[in-house]
Amino acid sequence: DQQVKQNSPSLSVQEGRISILNCDYTNSMFDYFLWYKKYPAEGPTFLISISSIKDKNEDGRFTVFLNKSAKHLSLHIVPSQPGDSAVYFCAAPSADGLTFGKGTHLIIQP
Amino acid sequence: DSGVTQTPKHLITATGQRVTLRCSPRSGDLSVYWYQQSLDQGLQFLIQYYNGEERAKGNILERFSAQQFPDLHSELNLSSLELGDSALYFCASSVDPHEVSGNTIYFGEGSWLTVV
Repeated sequence: DQQVKQNSPSLSVQEGRISILNCDYTNSMFDYFLWYKKYPAEGPTFLISISSIKDKNEDGRFTVFLNKSAKHLSLHIVPSQPGDSAVYFCAAPSADGLTFGKGTHLIIQP
Repeated sequence: DSGVTQTPKHLITATGQRVTLRCSPRSGDLSVYWYQQSLDQGLQFLIQYYNGEERAKGNILERFSAQQFPDLHSELNLSSLELGDSALYFCASSVDPHEVSGNTIYFGEGSWLTVV
C-alpha cells in the first residue's frame, strides 16, 4: 500500500516557467513532509520540508504547499532552471525512517 | 558529499551468487537505513539499524540480511541473487531515528547492482 503517491512519473517544463510537482498521501498521521532531489548516479539530497502546522514553506525559488484536508502537497519551483532537471521525491517520516513516493522526473527544456 | 560512504559503487554478478554491500555512516550518526531503488519503483525501505540493533524492517526479502557492527558501519548481504534484484541500493544515516527531518537523514551515492 503506497502511503505517499506521486502520480506523475515525469514532467517537462520550459526554462523560466513554473514547475509544479504534486504528492498525495493516505496516512493522516503524517505530520511532516520532505522533498528530496536526486541527480543520476547520486544519492537523494534534502531540498525542502514542511510541518503540518503550516500550509506553506518557502526557500528561495522553492515553495512547498500543504493541503491537509485534501492530503495533498505540492512543490513549486519558480523560475525553473536547467539545473533543476532531476528526480524529485516526496517523503514522510514513519517508523521506518522515511516513506518515499515513486518520484517525478522533472525535465527543464531550454 | 553527504559523508555517507558506500562501496562498491558498481557491481556485476551472476544469478545465484551472493554479494555484500558496505556502508559507513556519517561521523556521529548511530542509525543506518538501507533502501532499494528499482527501475519502476521509488525508494523502497529495506531495513534500519540503530547502534547495532535492528530497529525496523521493511520490504526486505528473506534472501537479504543486514547487520550493523560495533564501529557502526553496516553491511547488506544479498544471496541467491535473481535478475530482479538488479537495482540501486542506498544507505542513509541519521543521528537519532526519533528526530526525523530532512536535514538529519543523509544518503550515500548508492551501490549499483547488476545481476546477469
